[in-house]
Amino acid sequence: RKEVEQDPGPFNVPEGATVAFNCTYSNSASQSFFWYRQDCRKEPKLLMSVYSSGNEDGRFTAQLNRASQYISLLIRDSKLSDSATYLCVVNRDSGNTPLVFGKGTRLSVIA
Amino acid sequence: DVKVTQSSRYLVKRTGEKVFLECVQDMDHENMFWYRQDPGLGLRLIYFSYDVKMKEKGDIPEGYSVSREKKERFSLILESASTNQTSMYLCASSFTTSGYNEQFFGPGTRLTVL
Repeated sequence: RKEVEQDPGPFNVPEGATVAFNCTYSNSASQSFFWYRQDCRKEPKLLMSVYSSGNEDGRFTAQLNRASQYISLLIRDSKLSDSATYLCVVNRDSGNTPLVFGKGTRLSVIA
Repeated sequence: DVKVTQSSRYLVKRTGEKVFLECVQDMDHENMFWYRQDPGLGLRLIYFSYDVKMKEKGDIPEGYSVSREKKERFSLILESASTNQTSMYLCASSFTTSGYNEQFFGPGTRLTVL
């Protein structure tokens, strides 16, 4: 099983739609979870951390299911500016260990 | 704001040349990382460092070396560049924490080896 797996997409959705991305990770000892956003030919930037209780930031909601080793990102009311690649990121093990990046899910929001 | 800078945005080198990629961060982060990113392969970790003069191999260290003489600076060295090292190289840094160790990235260096 790959360390972090994501559906590569692309997801093509109209403006205003709700879209959800999922991600699975292989190491049950992982403790840190993130969603990063990467625009075309730019560096990845943190979108949001993912907490055990789930968390929301405006139109974005992230959830973690430790039992199933599964992370999700929900985007409501999609904007054209949400078009990007979304990377699921998990640390390799417990403690201060390097992060593992998924290959990303590409989202295109269409007018 | 955290700032991670990389010495060049674009670089063209010839096969066999020695190549230095420099990365500097201004937030006193202990940890620094070098990745390469290729289409379809995602971000792959080359080397990382948890402290000055320390280095650890990542997933794909072959053909690369690193240097960390100062806390804020982490250099990636291609001893003898080859065409399969044509890639986007990204540097990142983070604090040492037991919890959420968010990484901050530099803008990347697009290296072409001819």
